[in-house]
Amino acid sequence: AQKITQTQPGMFVQEKEAVTLDCTYDTSDPSYGLFWYKQPSSGEMIFLIYQGSYDQQNATEGRYSLNFQKARKSANLVISASQLGDSAMYFCAMREGRGSGTYKYIFGTGTRLKVLA
Amino acid sequence: GAGVSQSPRYKVAKRGQDVALRCDPISGHVSLFWYQQALGQGPEFLTYFQNEAQLDKSGLPSDRFFAERPEGSVSTLKIQRTQQEDSAVYLCASGPRGDWDTEAFFGQGTRLTVV
Repeated sequence: AQKITQTQPGMFVQEKEAVTLDCTYDTSDPSYGLFWYKQPSSGEMIFLIYQGSYDQQNATEGRYSLNFQKARKSANLVISASQLGDSAMYFCAMREGRGSGTYKYIFGTGTRLKVLA
Repeated sequence: GAGVSQSPRYKVAKRGQDVALRCDPISGHVSLFWYQQALGQGPEFLTYFQNEAQLDKSGLPSDRFFAERPEGSVSTLKIQRTQQEDSAVYLCASGPRGDWDTEAFFGQGTRLTVV
């Protein structure tokens, strides 16, 4: 079963507008972390924001915020005031707290965001 | 530099050739991951080290793939007898601890093309 689902292969947003990138996840582990990474054309994965399963409040980092709805198992990324430099691939990922101790990241298939001038 | 460094950035190998991909993690980082990313896909887990111990190699696709981190810092991913399906970007990431609630820092990857 797919553990991280990103249903939007591509998104467009006008510069200075806000955009929401969807992510749903599946786990039976009560302890888990949800991460968003940005991958520009250069290839490097850049960490954006983290939400822990026990966190009571939604995470925010500058123009990035995470809309965490635990009951729905969704962790959508909101980018406010989009900039041309935000054009990139965005990946949602999860790490589960249980298991062998690897705590490996499980990634979704990504959403390609294009910001229009 | 302060980030994760991978070399080479690009590698073209003839089918059947052996290749070695290097990862220099952030100094002092305990965790080290290798991921394989096919074109247009999300990264897929290959293997994980905590210091010099390889704790999980469940993602290695075949016995042609081998990874090591002998002194708990630099890591090498080796692919023997490369095949066309091995063409992908290989990403390395390191993390300061072995916990599930910390982010990992990724390198820029090595793009392997097998011809």
